[in-house]
Amino acid sequence: QQQVKQSPQSLIVQKGGISIINCAYENTAFDYFPWYQQFPGKGPALLIAIRPDVSEKKEGRFTISFNKSAKQFSLHIMDSQPGDSATYFCAAGQGGSEKLVFGKGTKLTVNP
Amino acid sequence: NAGVTQTPKFRILKIGQSMTLQCTQDMNHNYMYWYRQDPGMGLKLIYYSVGAGITDKGEVPNGYNVSRSTTEDFPLRLELAAPSQTSVYFCASSYRGRADYGYTFGSGTRLTVV
Repeated sequence: QQQVKQSPQSLIVQKGGISIINCAYENTAFDYFPWYQQFPGKGPALLIAIRPDVSEKKEGRFTISFNKSAKQFSLHIMDSQPGDSATYFCAAGQGGSEKLVFGKGTKLTVNP
Repeated sequence: NAGVTQTPKFRILKIGQSMTLQCTQDMNHNYMYWYRQDPGMGLKLIYYSVGAGITDKGEVPNGYNVSRSTTEDFPLRLELAAPSQTSVYFCASSYRGRADYGYTFGSGTRLTVV
């Protein structure tokens, strides 16, 4: 049973545009929501993370928006660049838990 | 710091063969994990360890075994390899198991079983 649903599966954006990736979760005990970025041939790397006590977190061009009542969170990439082309995974976990549950990933392509 | 090091990077196995995927971390992280990544399926947890001598099953443990004799090393053993085990395997580690510290992943092992 998939606990974190991620969409879209793939996304193509023009350089300078906004990339938006959405995730929904089921377990209300989750209290930590990270996003990972993975380039081809590499392992995933932590990009940005949020806890449900805030509705938004911004780091540079990357923003997480969080809607606790809807059990949804999303990643926004502003001014998308070709170097942002990668696969993005959302995940969810419980504070102190030893395991994260991952979405299926979104392959982002930013055209020059 | 090397972070999380996985070896080998690539391997082809014949059905029924066995092998061990190596994982070493130098960050003194106490929690370590093995995931497999299949196209379009995200990351599935195979096994994890909360410290030396302690391991537990994840979501997809069948066909695999692990051991954790030291803090640094967390090898994954495949016994009687099957085509369904063709995948990319990632080892990861974290500190004290606190999810908000984030996982550090290795660069992966691409395994093909033929």
